[in-house]
Amino acid sequence: AQSVTQPDIHITVSEGASLELRCNYSYGATPYLFWYVQSPGQGLQLLLKYFSGDTLVQGIKGFEAEFKRSQSSFNLRKPSVHWSDAAEYFCAVGPQYGNKLVFGAGTILRVKS
Amino acid sequence: NAGVTQTPKFQVLKTGQSMTLQCAQDMNHNSMYWYRQDPGMGLRLIYYSASEGTTDKGEVPNGYNVSRLNKREFSLRLESAAPSQTSVYFCASSRGTATQETQYFGPGTRLLVL
Repeated sequence: AQSVTQPDIHITVSEGASLELRCNYSYGATPYLFWYVQSPGQGLQLLLKYFSGDTLVQGIKGFEAEFKRSQSSFNLRKPSVHWSDAAEYFCAVGPQYGNKLVFGAGTILRVKS
Repeated sequence: NAGVTQTPKFQVLKTGQSMTLQCAQDMNHNSMYWYRQDPGMGLRLIYYSASEGTTDKGEVPNGYNVSRLNKREFSLRLESAAPSQTSVYFCASSRGTATQETQYFGPGTRLLVL
């Protein structure tokens, strides 16, 4: 069965500091991987996705993620965090067909000034 | 272009009451989804509709029914609400069921069952 683990429930970083949010997945075949962001009181917005090819993918808002098959990981990074990045971040995995995503529990990002 | 809209935004129910959550999209998408979000558990798929006229169970369908009224609308019904159904409910839509197709989410409905 597919599963996604986001080991960090909360992370606090200073504005301007770099950020890495961890995501580990369990999936039998080649996974399709996603990062979504949820601002307070809002729905989820897609940041980036990985299907194949270059293992470093760029997304919106200056985010990037790296797929590492050997580590079953898909960590999200940003070189310099802005206060507006404070939100909850979800990693998700899905099969090639069916679009039935399995989400991790989420990581809440706090940004301190 | 409103994207995905959900009504109501908030609802309080008593145990045993019924209600229907409404979802509509204006992006001409074929596929629609209902998720519930609970603290520490992320989002879990309740039901989905690959195309107009079809619906299928997701991970946690018990206690829910759905109707794909037309291509735009996909409703979620709680026939007899239970406190365990207290959650935030999100509707989403995508152009198709290939996983490459981005899912677009509505703002959510917060439901409290007393």
